[in-house]
Amino acid sequence: SQQGEEDPQALSIQEGENATMNCSYKTSINNLQWYRQNSGRGLVHLILIRSNEREKHSGRLRVTLDTSKKSSSLLITASRAADTASYFCATDIGGFKTIFGAGTRLFVKA
Amino acid sequence: GAVVSQHPSWVICKSGTSVKIECRSLDFQATTMFWYRQFPKQSLMLMATSNEGSKATYEQGVEKDKFLINHASLTLSTLTVTSAHPEDSSFYICSVSQGAQETQYFGPGTRLLVL
Repeated sequence: SQQGEEDPQALSIQEGENATMNCSYKTSINNLQWYRQNSGRGLVHLILIRSNEREKHSGRLRVTLDTSKKSSSLLITASRAADTASYFCATDIGGFKTIFGAGTRLFVKA
Repeated sequence: GAVVSQHPSWVICKSGTSVKIECRSLDFQATTMFWYRQFPKQSLMLMATSNEGSKATYEQGVEKDKFLINHASLTLSTLTVTSAHPEDSSFYICSVSQGAQETQYFGPGTRLLVL
Protein backbone atom coordinates (compact mmCIF):
# COMPACT_ATOMS: atom_id res chain seq x y z
CA SER A 1 0.00 0.00 0.00
CA GLN A 2 1.06 3.59 -0.40
CA GLN A 3 3.44 5.18 2.03
CA GLY A 4 1.50 8.41 2.09
CA GLU A 5 -2.23 8.48 2.37
CA GLU A 6 -4.16 11.68 2.48
CA ASP A 7 -7.53 12.72 3.65
CA PRO A 8 -9.86 13.99 2.68
CA GLN A 9 -9.67 12.85 -0.92
CA ALA A 10 -11.65 15.91 -1.91
CA LEU A 11 -12.53 19.12 -0.13
CA SER A 12 -14.87 21.90 -1.19
CA ILE A 13 -14.95 25.17 0.75
CA GLN A 14 -15.94 28.79 0.35
CA GLU A 15 -13.41 31.47 -0.34
CA GLY A 16 -12.10 32.89 2.93
CA GLU A 17 -12.45 29.64 4.84
CA ASN A 18 -9.53 27.57 6.04
CA ALA A 19 -8.64 24.27 4.42
CA THR A 20 -6.96 21.44 6.30
CA MET A 21 -5.49 18.38 4.63
CA ASN A 22 -3.92 15.45 6.41
CA CYS A 23 -1.26 12.98 5.41
CA SER A 24 -0.31 9.74 7.12
CA TYR A 25 2.66 7.55 6.36
CA LYS A 26 4.00 4.20 7.43
CA THR A 27 7.80 4.17 7.61
CA SER A 28 10.35 6.52 9.14
CA ILE A 29 11.17 9.56 7.08
CA ASN A 30 13.93 12.13 6.62
CA ASN A 31 11.51 14.85 5.66
CA LEU A 32 8.02 15.43 4.34
CA GLN A 33 7.13 17.81 1.57
CA TRP A 34 3.88 19.29 0.38
CA TYR A 35 3.25 20.05 -3.27
CA ARG A 36 0.45 21.65 -5.25
CA GLN A 37 -0.57 20.58 -8.71
CA ASN A 38 -2.95 22.47 -10.92
CA SER A 39 -4.82 20.34 -13.41
CA GLY A 40 -2.54 19.01 -16.12
CA ARG A 41 0.49 20.82 -14.81
CA GLY A 42 3.70 20.00 -12.99
CA LEU A 43 4.12 20.13 -9.24
CA VAL A 44 4.90 23.27 -7.29
CA HIS A 45 6.83 22.82 -4.10
CA LEU A 46 5.15 24.41 -1.08
CA ILE A 47 6.96 23.44 2.09
CA LEU A 48 9.57 20.95 3.30
CA ILE A 49 9.48 19.96 6.95
CA ARG A 50 12.28 17.84 8.38
CA SER A 51 11.78 14.96 10.74
CA ASN A 52 13.12 16.96 13.70
CA GLU A 53 10.72 19.84 13.08
CA ARG A 54 7.17 20.07 14.34
CA GLU A 55 5.72 23.07 12.58
CA LYS A 56 6.52 25.37 9.71
CA HIS A 57 4.88 28.41 8.22
CA SER A 58 5.03 30.00 4.81
CA GLY A 59 2.62 32.83 4.12
CA ARG A 60 -0.89 31.43 4.44
CA LEU A 61 0.42 27.89 4.76
CA ARG A 62 1.04 26.05 8.01
CA VAL A 63 2.43 22.54 8.11
CA THR A 64 2.70 20.33 11.15
CA LEU A 65 4.52 17.06 11.55
CA ASP A 66 3.95 14.47 14.25
CA THR A 67 6.49 11.71 13.82
CA SER A 68 5.07 9.72 16.72
CA LYS A 69 1.76 9.47 14.88
CA LYS A 70 3.42 9.41 11.47
CA SER A 71 1.19 12.18 10.25
CA SER A 72 1.32 15.68 8.86
CA SER A 73 -1.22 18.36 8.15
CA LEU A 74 -1.34 21.26 5.74
CA LEU A 75 -3.48 24.23 6.67
CA ILE A 76 -4.30 26.92 4.14
CA THR A 77 -5.78 29.95 5.82
CA ALA A 78 -8.13 32.47 4.20
CA SER A 79 -8.40 30.37 1.08
CA ARG A 80 -8.78 31.90 -2.37
CA ALA A 81 -10.27 30.59 -5.57
CA ALA A 82 -6.70 30.41 -6.94
CA ASP A 83 -5.88 27.82 -4.27
CA THR A 84 -8.06 25.33 -6.16
CA ALA A 85 -5.70 22.46 -7.00
CA SER A 86 -4.59 19.02 -5.91
CA TYR A 87 -2.29 18.87 -2.92
CA PHE A 88 0.17 16.03 -2.36
CA CYS A 89 2.37 15.07 0.52
CA ALA A 90 5.62 13.34 -0.30
CA THR A 91 7.85 11.50 2.13
CA ASP A 92 11.60 11.21 1.77
CA ILE A 93 12.46 7.76 3.07
CA GLY A 94 16.15 7.92 2.22
CA GLY A 95 18.23 6.75 -0.67
CA PHE A 96 16.87 9.56 -2.84
CA LYS A 97 13.47 7.91 -2.68
CA THR A 98 10.35 10.02 -2.34
CA ILE A 99 6.89 8.52 -2.14
CA PHE A 100 3.79 10.53 -2.93
CA GLY A 101 0.41 10.30 -1.29
CA ALA A 102 -2.80 9.97 -3.24
CA GLY A 103 -3.54 13.68 -2.97
CA THR A 104 -6.39 15.88 -1.84
CA ARG A 105 -8.42 17.76 -4.43
CA LEU A 106 -9.28 21.17 -3.06
CA PHE A 107 -12.00 23.28 -4.62
CA VAL A 108 -12.42 26.82 -3.37
CA LYS A 109 -15.69 28.43 -4.40
CA ALA A 110 -15.66 32.15 -5.07
CA GLY B 1 14.58 26.65 -6.30
CA ALA B 2 15.80 24.88 -9.40
CA VAL B 3 14.14 25.56 -12.74
CA VAL B 4 13.31 22.45 -14.71
CA SER B 5 11.99 22.23 -18.24
CA GLN B 6 10.58 19.35 -20.25
CA HIS B 7 10.19 18.90 -23.95
CA PRO B 8 7.85 18.24 -25.55
CA SER B 9 4.92 19.28 -23.38
CA TRP B 10 2.50 17.28 -25.52
CA VAL B 11 3.05 14.34 -27.82
CA ILE B 12 0.63 12.17 -29.76
CA CYS B 13 2.02 9.14 -31.50
CA LYS B 14 0.95 5.92 -33.17
CA SER B 15 1.17 2.62 -31.38
CA GLY B 16 4.55 0.98 -31.91
CA THR B 17 6.58 4.14 -32.28
CA SER B 18 9.18 5.40 -29.81
CA VAL B 19 8.95 8.73 -28.06
CA LYS B 20 11.79 10.65 -26.43
CA ILE B 21 11.13 13.11 -23.62
CA GLU B 22 13.80 15.53 -22.47
CA CYS B 23 14.23 16.92 -18.99
CA ARG B 24 16.58 19.84 -18.49
CA SER B 25 17.78 21.49 -15.33
CA LEU B 26 18.23 25.10 -16.42
CA ASP B 27 20.04 26.66 -13.51
CA PHE B 28 21.44 23.78 -11.54
CA GLN B 29 23.75 20.87 -12.20
CA ALA B 30 21.85 17.78 -11.21
CA THR B 31 23.70 14.56 -10.61
CA THR B 32 20.38 12.92 -9.93
CA MET B 33 17.07 13.33 -11.71
CA PHE B 34 13.85 11.44 -11.23
CA TRP B 35 11.16 10.27 -13.62
CA TYR B 36 7.57 9.88 -12.51
CA ARG B 37 4.39 8.79 -14.22
CA GLN B 38 0.96 10.04 -13.30
CA PHE B 39 -2.31 8.57 -14.55
CA PRO B 40 -5.45 10.73 -14.54
CA LYS B 41 -6.63 11.65 -11.07
CA GLN B 42 -3.92 9.56 -9.48
CA SER B 43 -0.75 10.30 -7.63
CA LEU B 44 2.79 10.31 -8.95
CA MET B 45 4.57 7.00 -9.20
CA LEU B 46 8.34 6.97 -9.27
CA MET B 47 9.59 5.13 -12.33
CA ALA B 48 13.33 5.50 -12.03
CA THR B 49 16.18 7.49 -10.62
CA SER B 50 18.50 8.81 -13.28
CA ASN B 51 22.18 9.15 -12.36
CA GLU B 52 24.59 11.20 -14.45
CA GLY B 53 27.15 9.00 -16.11
CA SER B 54 25.73 5.72 -14.90
CA LYS B 55 22.75 3.45 -15.33
CA ALA B 56 19.37 4.45 -14.04
CA THR B 57 17.83 2.73 -11.06
CA TYR B 58 14.36 1.46 -11.90
CA GLU B 59 11.51 0.88 -9.52
CA GLN B 60 9.96 -2.53 -9.23
CA GLY B 61 7.56 -3.23 -12.05
CA VAL B 62 9.05 -0.68 -14.45
CA GLU B 63 10.57 -2.29 -17.53
CA LYS B 64 14.01 -0.85 -18.15
CA ASP B 65 14.02 -2.01 -21.77
CA LYS B 66 10.77 -0.21 -22.42
CA PHE B 67 11.58 3.01 -20.61
CA LEU B 68 15.13 3.90 -21.58
CA ILE B 69 16.75 6.57 -19.48
CA ASN B 70 19.91 8.41 -20.40
CA HIS B 71 21.46 11.00 -18.13
CA ALA B 72 24.14 12.24 -20.49
CA SER B 73 25.07 15.43 -18.68
CA LEU B 74 24.49 17.25 -15.45
CA THR B 75 21.66 19.23 -17.01
CA LEU B 76 19.92 16.72 -19.27
CA SER B 77 18.13 13.44 -18.78
CA THR B 78 16.01 11.75 -21.42
CA LEU B 79 13.28 9.17 -21.14
CA THR B 80 12.50 7.14 -24.24
CA VAL B 81 9.28 5.16 -24.32
CA THR B 82 10.02 2.41 -26.80
CA SER B 83 7.34 0.74 -28.88
CA ALA B 84 4.67 2.78 -27.17
CA HIS B 85 1.21 1.32 -26.67
CA PRO B 86 -2.06 2.99 -25.64
CA GLU B 87 -1.58 1.86 -22.04
CA ASP B 88 1.60 3.96 -21.94
CA SER B 89 -0.51 7.08 -22.36
CA SER B 90 0.15 9.10 -19.26
CA PHE B 91 1.64 12.27 -17.82
CA TYR B 92 5.41 11.94 -17.42
CA ILE B 93 7.13 14.30 -15.01
CA CYS B 94 10.79 14.69 -14.16
CA SER B 95 12.36 16.29 -11.14
CA VAL B 96 15.77 17.26 -9.86
CA SER B 97 17.09 17.28 -6.35
CA GLN B 98 19.83 19.41 -4.92
CA GLY B 99 20.95 16.63 -2.68
CA ALA B 100 19.82 13.83 -0.47
CA GLN B 101 16.98 14.82 1.85
CA GLU B 102 16.43 18.04 -0.07
CA THR B 103 13.52 19.44 -2.02
CA GLN B 104 12.67 18.02 -5.40
CA TYR B 105 11.84 20.52 -8.12
CA PHE B 106 9.57 19.35 -10.87
CA GLY B 107 9.32 19.99 -14.55
CA PRO B 108 5.99 20.97 -16.12
CA GLY B 109 5.37 17.45 -17.36
CA THR B 110 4.87 15.80 -20.73
CA ARG B 111 1.50 14.43 -21.72
CA LEU B 112 1.80 11.36 -23.94
CA LEU B 113 -1.13 10.01 -25.90
CA VAL B 114 -0.59 6.80 -27.83
CA LEU B 115 -3.23 6.04 -30.44
